[in-house]
Amino acid sequence: EAQVTQNPRYLITVTGKKLTVTCSQNMNHEYMSWYRQDPGLGLRQIYYSMNVEVTDKGDVPEGYKVSRKEKRNFPLILESPSPNQTSLYFCASSPLGLAGSTTYFGPGTRLTVT
Amino acid sequence: GESVGLHLPTLSVQEGDNSIINCAYSNSASDYFIWYKQESGKGPQFIIDIRSNMDKRQGQRVTVLLNKTVKHLSLQIAATQPGDSAVYFCAENKGNKLVFGAGTILRVKS
Repeated sequence: EAQVTQNPRYLITVTGKKLTVTCSQNMNHEYMSWYRQDPGLGLRQIYYSMNVEVTDKGDVPEGYKVSRKEKRNFPLILESPSPNQTSLYFCASSPLGLAGSTTYFGPGTRLTVT
Repeated sequence: GESVGLHLPTLSVQEGDNSIINCAYSNSASDYFIWYKQESGKGPQFIIDIRSNMDKRQGQRVTVLLNKTVKHLSLQIAATQPGDSAVYFCAENKGNKLVFGAGTILRVKS
């Protein structure tokens, strides 16, 4: 089954404690991306990757890092989380070109930073 | 600036009725739009898309209309069912990212 998986699904942490949210896809997609979803704001892109070792900033990259060492994995790293990073995070993957019908989203990770 | 937004945050419809969800965009050069459905606890799921060289596209029980003159698109759901209850987003494909509207909550009353 084609899917994007994220772990953990829920995380409560404290300010400043480094954390990583993993994302993995099994469709051999070149393109992967991270979004955060906040009430009334829709989804906003954090970072994206066009292929292995190719990453770039999205609209809201501050406070986040990513890496793309393997095609299937695209972890999101928060080196020093702050309360304003409390949000619902989604990973997405697609073939190059980001065609809507072939973009798959993960189930989401709800992060709370206290 | 560029944006994709929605007129109504919440829409309540009776089961069996048709639903219409609206979306406005600001960039007249936009050429590819997608509608997503997000159920509680899940990520967005593709519903239907449309390119700017089309005015209308139909899927199973869904139709998307694009009015480039007023920069508006709509999602029509025929014979709305309880399973259609969700948040609906319009999004614009801008090459390396999707730009999402704020979303509309669709509630279906039985």
